[in-house]
Amino acid sequence: NAGVMQNPRHLVRRRGQEARLRCSPMKGHSHVYWYRQLPEEGLKFMVYLQKENIIDESGMPKERFSAEFPKEGPSILRIQQVVRGDSAAYFCASSPRGDGSQTLYFGPGTRLTVT
Amino acid sequence: GESVGLHLPTLSVQEGDNSIINCAYSNSASDYFIWYKQESGKGPQFIIDIRSNMDKRQGQRVTVLLNKTVKHLSLQIAATQPGDSAVYFCAENAGGTSYGKLTFGQGTILTVHP
Repeated sequence: NAGVMQNPRHLVRRRGQEARLRCSPMKGHSHVYWYRQLPEEGLKFMVYLQKENIIDESGMPKERFSAEFPKEGPSILRIQQVVRGDSAAYFCASSPRGDGSQTLYFGPGTRLTVT
Repeated sequence: GESVGLHLPTLSVQEGDNSIINCAYSNSASDYFIWYKQESGKGPQFIIDIRSNMDKRQGQRVTVLLNKTVKHLSLQIAATQPGDSAVYFCAENAGGTSYGKLTFGQGTILTVHP
């Protein structure tokens, strides 16, 4: 049973470009979370999604950041007009369908570098 | 805002020793706590969890202790091995939600010397 998949693993963008990060949850999981980790810090909650619904986006910056989890396909975290401060590791996590579990299974992360 | 924090940012032990990693939390409404292990370049890996109606829970070589009186959480690793070297994070349920909105601590770097 494959774990949470994320791609790309590393992403380099110049200031002003767009970054798209993809996440495929574990099989049987329909709850997806995105967390951000700055260097030498703990993870910070960004957004919680279920299929086609954003449930809690209280940790998302108000501008430039958006997330979706369509009926088909992976969840996407999109960052428009990236700035150097967006450089971080972005982790996706999932939990089982209908569980509402607080136990999360994390993917390997996407390390975004903005030059 | 309220947060979870760790007392010791680094811990070095000899192989075979027991390790204890500590964590303080400030949100008295939190009712669920988790320990994660993160190896370099990887995502956090679930180790063990505990609910607020318990004060101790054991897994394989790991034990989590919860002291709600002083808002303290600890992770004990028995017979620590070099493969246990990693950053360990405690996390708590944030804001009393029933889903995985967690507040993570700063992290403790555990180094195990052969």
